[in-house]
Amino acid sequence: LAKTTQPISMDSYEGQEVNITCSHNNIATNDYITWYQQFPSQGPRFIIQGYKTKVTNEVASLFIPADRKSSTLSLPRVSLSDTAVYYCLVGGGSQGNLIFGKGTKLSVKP
Amino acid sequence: NAGVTQTPKFQVLKTGQSMTLQCAQDMNHEYMSWYRQDPGMGLRLIHYSVGAGITDQGEVPNGYNVSRSTTEDFPLRLLSAAPSQTSVYFCASSYPIGGANTEAFFGQGTRLTVV
Repeated sequence: LAKTTQPISMDSYEGQEVNITCSHNNIATNDYITWYQQFPSQGPRFIIQGYKTKVTNEVASLFIPADRKSSTLSLPRVSLSDTAVYYCLVGGGSQGNLIFGKGTKLSVKP
Repeated sequence: NAGVTQTPKFQVLKTGQSMTLQCAQDMNHEYMSWYRQDPGMGLRLIHYSVGAGITDQGEVPNGYNVSRSTTEDFPLRLLSAAPSQTSVYFCASSYPIGGANTEAFFGQGTRLTVV
């Protein structure tokens, strides 16, 4: 299972774009990159998943460079409600057995 | 659809007591799993199941038992509660979304305190 490294915490202000980078140097060829969001007192929620280049949905964008050794979750124009912990997961989980790291705690201020 | 439903939401146990945390899903997902989350930490996998009658251990299985008699239900049993098992417990159900990847849906959690 690929080890992931992401910042422990980040601060931002409302209306700014936030980029959270995750390093995963030993990613395997068939590994996908998945991000989950967890609000306080709630279970995590799937945000986005990708394999290479760029993926975009209504919530976020995921940028993956050609070497796939890192990935960046981009949240456009954050609001206070985006305050949460964001987890980067790489590989594994093919049977629902997800392995989480400590995540990045994003605090959005007014 | 209710999604993933966990009961109870809160529970206080005395050391040595046993109890079962309930988890039910109505999405017909084959995969289900249990996690615990300690304060300020990420989630750790306790047990998981790929279908009725099939279960496997995760990262921290000691002190917990599971069984999967139906697709819908995946109860977690604490055999003899210890203060170290004080945590928030999350149940999840998952389905494949292509390749070897899944999307997981989590319940609201059970906050357990062992005194």
